[in-house]
Amino acid sequence: EAQVTQNPRYLITVTGKKLTVTCSQNMNHEYMSWYRQDPGLGLRQIYYSMNVEVTDKGDVPEGYKVSRKEKRNFPLILESPSPNQTSLYFCASVKQGSNEQYFGPGTRLTVT
Amino acid sequence: AQSVTQLGSHVSVSEGALVLLRCNYSSSVPPYLFWYVQYPNQGLQLLLKYTTGATLVKGINGFEAEFKKSETSFHLTKPSAHMSDAAEYFCAVSRPGGGSNYKLTFGKGTLLTVNP
Repeated sequence: EAQVTQNPRYLITVTGKKLTVTCSQNMNHEYMSWYRQDPGLGLRQIYYSMNVEVTDKGDVPEGYKVSRKEKRNFPLILESPSPNQTSLYFCASVKQGSNEQYFGPGTRLTVT
Repeated sequence: AQSVTQLGSHVSVSEGALVLLRCNYSSSVPPYLFWYVQYPNQGLQLLLKYTTGATLVKGINGFEAEFKKSETSFHLTKPSAHMSDAAEYFCAVSRPGGGSNYKLTFGKGTLLTVNP
């Protein structure tokens, strides 16, 4: 089944404790991205990657890092999480030529 | 820069009534337009999309939307609401082409409530 997977689905952590949210897709898509969803703000892009070893900032990159060492994986790294990063995070990949985004199930992160 | 405005953060309709969710966009180039639905505690599901061609687009679950360039609108409609339509709906825009144009700019969402 074609899909985007994220782990963990739920995470509660404390300020300053480094964490990684993994994202993997099995569709051989080149383009992947991360969004965060906040009430009343919709979804905003954090980072995106057009291919292996090619990443760039989205609209709200502060406090986040990403890497793209393999085509299928695009982890989101929070090196020193803060409470304002409490949010619902979605990973997505794009089917080339269609602009159609495939979203993962989401990761709900709480930073206390 | 692109932007999306969804009029009404909360829309309430009766079961069987018309559903109309409004979306206006701003784009310097001909846009690609999308509607996504998010059911409680779930991810995003694509309802329908407009890229080129016919301006009236039909999607899943009986929804449709019409691209009106002169009004910069892409409103979502469904003739008869069902209880299962209760969800949050997001309008989004992107640019044609690949690479960084794949980025979606979302509206803030409209929560649809369906009353029995």
